[in-house]
Amino acid sequence: DAGITQSPRYKITETGRQVTLMCHQTWSHSYMFWYRQDLGHGLRLIYYSAAADITDKGEVPDGYVVSRSKTENFPLTLESATRSQTSVYFCASSESPAGGQETQYFGPGTRLLVL
Amino acid sequence: QQQVKQSPQSLIVQKGGISIINCAYENTAFDYFPWYQQFPGKGPALLIAIRPDVSEKKEGRFTISFNKSAKQFSLHIMDSQPGDSATYFCAASIEAAGNKLTFGGGTRVLVKP
Repeated sequence: DAGITQSPRYKITETGRQVTLMCHQTWSHSYMFWYRQDLGHGLRLIYYSAAADITDKGEVPDGYVVSRSKTENFPLTLESATRSQTSVYFCASSESPAGGQETQYFGPGTRLLVL
Repeated sequence: QQQVKQSPQSLIVQKGGISIINCAYENTAFDYFPWYQQFPGKGPALLIAIRPDVSEKKEGRFTISFNKSAKQFSLHIMDSQPGDSATYFCAASIEAAGNKLTFGGGTRVLVKP
């Protein structure tokens, strides 16, 4: 029962490089989310997806790209990493909220350092 | 613009004491208010949630109090234990807008034995 996994768990990269963070869930949840966590800001939504091939921007989408070709995967790409993107990134998933809110289940996070 | 404001940023409580964390929101369209608990090195996990049609919800030692007119809600941790030491996040969402959560800034709770 893997649940929701993220890889890599830690990543160091340089300014200007492209970085892809992976997220995989085994529950067949329709909704998936990417958040970044920064001290004092809590978690801020970057992008979310309601189903395969359906994605939409969250609160802080600039500098990020997502795709969702399969229900179980939701990769997040930083096209040209900047130091301000140094953060802890969390992926989450949930059932469709039709009829009410559904619990979001979070992965263990990816700690990204951009030098 | 932070739509959900959380206080305090940190608190220290003795074992057996009460921990109280407060949140205030601006958007009156919010209709779901969960609290998440996060241990170091882990992802957040749902602790307890409330909808605005009730003023209080209790699950074990954890209680949410909700004041719709004041646009405030709070988490009370009764009989705090060292194992409750974690970061707590309040959040809010709009049911009709999908499952997108807006989080508060977090409160780091330390329970001293």
